[in-house]
Amino acid sequence: GQQLNQSPQSMFIQEGEDVSMNCTSSSIFNTWLWYKQDPGEGPVLLIALYKAGELTSNGRLTAQFGITRKDSFLNISASIPSDVGIYFCAGQGLTQGGSEKLVFGKGTKLTVNP
Amino acid sequence: DVKVTQSSRYLVKRTGEKVFLECVQDMDHENMFWYRQDPGLGLRLIYFSYDVKMKEKGDIPEGYSVSREKKERFSLILESASTNQTSMYLCASSSRLAGKFGDEQFFGPGTRLTVL
Repeated sequence: GQQLNQSPQSMFIQEGEDVSMNCTSSSIFNTWLWYKQDPGEGPVLLIALYKAGELTSNGRLTAQFGITRKDSFLNISASIPSDVGIYFCAGQGLTQGGSEKLVFGKGTKLTVNP
Repeated sequence: DVKVTQSSRYLVKRTGEKVFLECVQDMDHENMFWYRQDPGLGLRLIYFSYDVKMKEKGDIPEGYSVSREKKERFSLILESASTNQTSMYLCASSSRLAGKFGDEQFFGPGTRLTVL
């Protein structure tokens, strides 16, 4: 089945640093989503991308839909302690039958040291 | 504000018990999903429903069943709980505008289930 490779698995950074994480797949996707999960909570949608090459920002977060439609990245600028959590990517394909189920990456665990 | 709620945040059950996990969404979404989340394995789809009384198996349906009697409510049932079903259970919903699975899924806060 479809798989997403998300990297890195974990990151330890200092407050104020920029962060970059990405997801790649051998499959083509039509939608890329980025979620953040705080400890003990459900994932919260951060950014949704629908077009190859699309670059979208949400505050200090920027995400891009790769031109090949097989990858996406998420950048966080000037990290702060509340950025701590697990970030997930999710991709969705499209077939003649309609949209496919979401495929999730295994997450990037971010730790921010004050 | 979109909202998905789950009946319990924490649940402790004994092996062999029947367990009900309830999920309610207030967004009038057609699609609802149940996932389990385990360290190192990510989110795995158990079951989903794209309409009232409709259900389809996800990737790991064994040991689970579901019920969708009303559009806003999707229940996950563990007929006879086992220790390997100890996990974080997440419910999600999405609109079907983008097709059968919808696209943007909105998650509930999760139920951490421990089976002793």
